[in-house]
Amino acid sequence: GEEVAQTPKHLVRGEGQKAKLYCAPIKGHSYVFWYQQVLKNEFKFLISFQNENVFDETGMPKERFSAKCLPNSPCSLEIQATKLEDSAVYFCASSQLSDNQPQHFGDGTRLSIL
Amino acid sequence: KNEVEQSPQNLTAQEGEFITINCSYSVGISALHWLQQHPGGGIVSLFMLSSGKKKHGRLIATINIQEKHSSLHITASHPRDSAVYICAVRSGATNKLIFGTGTLLAVQP
Repeated sequence: GEEVAQTPKHLVRGEGQKAKLYCAPIKGHSYVFWYQQVLKNEFKFLISFQNENVFDETGMPKERFSAKCLPNSPCSLEIQATKLEDSAVYFCASSQLSDNQPQHFGDGTRLSIL
Repeated sequence: KNEVEQSPQNLTAQEGEFITINCSYSVGISALHWLQQHPGGGIVSLFMLSSGKKKHGRLIATINIQEKHSSLHITASHPRDSAVYICAVRSGATNKLIFGTGTLLAVQP
């Protein structure tokens, strides 16, 4: 597609439950990035992929967060045993295989942990 | 201190005014993004620049690499320009973005 598609738009989970978010990058884009926006405008980088390979995972909380980008499937970000502090908007962005290309953002998934 | 600082944090303008939002950064970068986030939450990439100046409609973005500073200008501002404007720098070998804390712009008719 020509837009980064994130699903679902909203996700509500009870504390301790699992949450799984999906991202379909723009067709032809090789890089996928996940960012977490908490409070007003605090964005935190989580993880990036080059095709199906993890490119940079320096922002990922190791214990409960995992992510995948498998061929012919949307990328996913999964949070096990969710905590209240995981409540945030999770944005996915994709870009082409070039340093000169901008990142294109999806509309985000708002995750609410109750 | 944040690696990317924006000013002002909040800005209220009257319709038609010329607006400037500033961004300073302290890390080495390969490019700088200006992003727009509307109340609904979606993020639109306005500009990506690594040198000089870019213009799109009423929006102008400039960057001074030596001074580690960028500005976003809006000419003839309109209420529909009301949004959060975010500066984000691309840093490091993996192209991840480091974000500023945003500028909330309200343009009043």
